[in-house]
Amino acid sequence: AQTVTQSQPEMSVQEAETVTLSCTYDTSESDYYLFWYKQPPSRQMILVIRQEAYKQQNATENRFSVNFQKAAKSFSLKISDSQLGDAAMYFCAYKGMNYGGSQGNLIFGKGTKLSVKP
Amino acid sequence: DGGITQSPKYLFRKEGQNVTLSCEQNLNHDAMYWYRQDPGQGLRLIYYSQIVNDFQKGDIAEGYSVSREKKESFPLTVTSAQKNPTAFYLCASSLNLNGEQFFGPGTRLTVL
Repeated sequence: AQTVTQSQPEMSVQEAETVTLSCTYDTSESDYYLFWYKQPPSRQMILVIRQEAYKQQNATENRFSVNFQKAAKSFSLKISDSQLGDAAMYFCAYKGMNYGGSQGNLIFGKGTKLSVKP
Repeated sequence: DGGITQSPKYLFRKEGQNVTLSCEQNLNHDAMYWYRQDPGQGLRLIYYSQIVNDFQKGDIAEGYSVSREKKESFPLTVTSAQKNPTAFYLCASSLNLNGEQFFGPGTRLTVL
């Protein structure tokens, strides 16, 4: 079974600085997706960034980028120029491809709480 | 405005009662999902539906039931058989099972 591990329960960053959140996963599949979701105090889950495993190029979305290391099964999120609005819980998630009997469900880590100091 | 709505936002239930959580989407998505979130935990999948009139158990389906009679709607019933139902419940939908999932605002269920 696939698992997702976020080893940092809490992180803190100074406004305008850069922070990296860690995520590792375990799978025997070769094709899959990886995601970072943000959950602010409103508790709405918001997709931050998505990476397809077959793509070697790391995904980027404005101030958010990932470092995807497939062999190491590592998928870290880098937030540049941190803003007060970035304060939230961040969840890493894995999704297998839906074929060959695999359900392809989203599997979440336990999350990292990010605080941003003014 | 396209999106996913969940109602109510807060729900209180007495022990031994069944309660139904609503989830509606107007994104024309085929797939819908129900997740449970507990403090300090990620989301865990309860049930999912690939298409109308079809649904499958997720990782923690015991004590829950669902129906999918319409494409737009995927209600979740928390039955009295669910031993620890107090939690935050999130509904999501996607174009298909391989698509990106979009989440609703959630329902906080408290059993008194």
